[in-house]
Amino acid sequence: NAGVTQTPKFQVLKTGQSMTLQCAQDMNHNSMYWYRQDPGMGLRLIYYSASEGTTDKGEVPNGYNVSRLNKREFSLRLESAAPSQTSVYFCASSAGGAGSYEQYFGPGTRLTVT
Amino acid sequence: GQQLNQSPQSMFIQEGEDVSMNCTSSSIFNTWLWYKQDPGEGPVLLIALYKAGELTSNGRLTAQFGITRKDSFLNISASIPSDVGIYFCAGTNFGNEKLTFGTGTRLTIIP
Repeated sequence: NAGVTQTPKFQVLKTGQSMTLQCAQDMNHNSMYWYRQDPGMGLRLIYYSASEGTTDKGEVPNGYNVSRLNKREFSLRLESAAPSQTSVYFCASSAGGAGSYEQYFGPGTRLTVT
Repeated sequence: GQQLNQSPQSMFIQEGEDVSMNCTSSSIFNTWLWYKQDPGEGPVLLIALYKAGELTSNGRLTAQFGITRKDSFLNISASIPSDVGIYFCAGTNFGNEKLTFGTGTRLTIIP
């Protein structure tokens, strides 16, 4: 039981390049989330998916797109990377529904945009 | 977006000391969560609280859901080196899938 897995662990991009961050969970959770973490800013929600086939914007969605591929997988895409997107990205999942608000996080992807 | 206020922002303590930190919000929550993040890792859930006044323990960690529903507290007893890291609180309300996170308390143990 791996929990939440993320790939890649590290990535360096040039401005304007695109990439997709992958996330998978094996806990049969309904809800999945993408966060970014910057120094002094804490965790900020980019997008989330309350169930397969649905996605919603979080606090900082500009410059990102997401796909809920199936119940297990939730990907985050940067179409044209910018230096302001240099950050650590975390994926999380939760069972969802009434009384199930505990989120479980992956190990993170450290992205640098030059 | 709203963030919860955590205090202190950082703590420097000696091994064996007890630690207290808190988290406050301008609005009411009916769920409080506490996470720990080690350097280079993702946050790990420590304790979940669902009822005002609730006191819950996890080993040497004890967390409390404030009576006003606008705050929560985390205590660590007899700190050890592996307690080093950043502690985050998070709050939400029933029916809301999104968590609001605190700004974190960084715990350092002085040798």
